[in-house]
Order: sequence, then structure tokens, then C-alpha cells
Amino acid sequence: DAGITQSPRHKVTETGTPVTLRCHQTENHRYMYWYRQDPGHGLRLIHYSYGVKDTDKGEVSDGYSVSRSKTEDFLLTLESATSSQTSVYFCAISESGKVNEKLFFGSGTQLSVL
Amino acid sequence: SQQGEEDPQALSIQEGENATMNCSYKTSINNLQWYRQNSGRGLVHLILIRSNEREKHSGRLRVTLDTSKKSSSLLITASRAADTASYFCATVSLSGNTPLVFGKGTRLSVIA
Repeated sequence: DAGITQSPRHKVTETGTPVTLRCHQTENHRYMYWYRQDPGHGLRLIHYSYGVKDTDKGEVSDGYSVSRSKTEDFLLTLESATSSQTSVYFCAISESGKVNEKLFFGSGTQLSVL
Repeated sequence: SQQGEEDPQALSIQEGENATMNCSYKTSINNLQWYRQNSGRGLVHLILIRSNEREKHSGRLRVTLDTSKKSSSLLITASRAADTASYFCATVSLSGNTPLVFGKGTRLSVIA
């Protein structure tokens, strides 16, 4: 199984502050993803990456940026957090090596923006 | 926009009964996948069915796909309390090279 570590697991921040969430994997998987999960909306894709420095937007990318300077790390940044970004954030990798098959998820980061 | 839509939103059954969840989608797909999420955890991949397949089995799980009706069903036989979780379907577009799009999930409660 892929090893994914998300940090922090919980964070409380104030509106307008920058926030960075980190996803670290241990097995050199090519594809990495950031999803957010909200009641009534299921999981929605924020950004994904298909290699070092190669990223693309998902369905709900406004207000978020990502970076992938190393294969193992995929960072999600909220430049200026808003209350609407209060959510549970999940990082995932594609275990199959294909962009869209057999995703493996981390344990999530609970973010509260006050 | 969400492609898959699960039905029902919530399902409560007794241990030992079968549980059936359905997923409908709007546009043609390359494949459809089912995931499980236990409370407070990340999603876990259960099974993938391709557009040219009609049925797949994995242990107590049976997935069917009807592309003419644009629907899939997930059957869990002889359910256990440990099956209590949310179940999500996720679709891949016909091109096959775009990320998964998840539905909103079915919340299954199995009562011991």
C-alpha cells in the first residue's frame, strides 16, 4: 500500500491568513491530488499533479494554489483563507500509475477558518 | 460538476441482510469505481468496472454496470456492522485521461 502522510491533521486559522497543507508520499507515484470534502457536496477536486512541476486545475481551484517541487511532496496553499474554505482536505495518489484509477487517500486535514 | 449520483442517500439495514446502492451518471464513461469511507477516514478503493464490462465481483461485493441506462449498482451481501460507512461512486470520462469525479455518497448503517 502507498504511504501518504498529510500534515497538519487539524488546523484552526483566521480569515485572511495564508495556510499551507502538505502531502507526502513514500513510493514515487506520478499522480497526486487534492480534494475537499463538504457535507452535501461529496468530494471535489481542487488541483492535481502529473509530475514534478506539472499541475492542473480541478473543479474548485479558485483561491488555491499548489506546488510540486519533488515527486514525494504536493503542497496546497490557501493564499488568504476564507470561511468558505473550512473543510476536510484529502490528498490522494494513483496507485495504478494512471491518472484516474485506484486512488489511495490520506487521512485528511480538518481545516477551520474563523 | 458531479457526474455520479448515488441513491439512496442513506440506507439502514440489519446485519446479515444485503445492501444495494445505485449510481447514475449523465455522460458516457471509460470506467466507474466504488469507494468506501469510514467515519473520519480517507476513502478506500473497492472495485473498478470498465465500460465494456457488465458485472464484477470482489468477495462480498458485486458491482453491475448498465451503460444503456447509465447506471451502476453496488451489492454488499451478508452485511456486517463493520460495513457501516459511506459509499461513493466515481466516474472517468470517455477519454479516460481526466481525474475522477465523485458522487455525494450513500451512507450505509448496518445494525447488529
